Amino acid sequence: QQQVKQSPQSLIVQKGGISIINCAYENTAFDYFPWYQQFPGKGPALLIAIRPDVSEKKEGRFTISFNKSAKQFSLHIMDSQPGDSATYFCAVTFPGTYKYIFGTGTRLKVLA
Amino acid sequence: DAGITQSPRHKVTETGTPVTLRCHQTENHRYMYWYRQDPGHGLRLIHYSYGVKDTDKGEVSDGYSVSRSKTEDFLLTLESATSSQTSVYFCAIQRAGGSSYNEQFFGPGTRLTVL
Repeated sequence: QQQVKQSPQSLIVQKGGISIINCAYENTAFDYFPWYQQFPGKGPALLIAIRPDVSEKKEGRFTISFNKSAKQFSLHIMDSQPGDSATYFCAVTFPGTYKYIFGTGTRLKVLA
Repeated sequence: DAGITQSPRHKVTETGTPVTLRCHQTENHRYMYWYRQDPGHGLRLIHYSYGVKDTDKGEVSDGYSVSRSKTEDFLLTLESATSSQTSVYFCAIQRAGGSSYNEQFFGPGTRLTVL
């Protein structure tokens, strides 16, 4: 079963706009929610992560919003730039398992 | 860069042949992982290791085996490759403890084509 549902599958945003990618999960036991960024031909790289005891985390232009009651978390990219064009993956993990479950990915294209 | 290398980076092989992919790390991490990446499926865990000679299955382990005889090396073997195993394979390590608890870091990937 799909434990993490990521949307949209693809996204096109104008330069300077806000990119929003969403993930929904089923199991309330998940305790770590990272976002990964992947450029073509490269491995995924950790972008930002949040734990369920906070509702928002911001690092530069990247923000995670976490809604525990709705079992959703989202990535917001402010002032999107062409260099942000990449595939983004959300993930969840159970406490103590050391295993991630990834979403299916969102391909973001930022137009110059 | 978490000191992860994968070899080979590209491989083309024929159906039915055995294939071994190697992951090497330089930072002595206990946990290592093999994922495959396919369009529409994201990253799916094949096998992982929590120590030398300690391995376990992930969600898509059928047709794959792994071995870890040294901390730094984690091998993924396709005993008899099939076209459905054409994919990009990523190795990852997990840093545990402190502020980097739970963070996984990925290697550059191996693109495998099975004809």
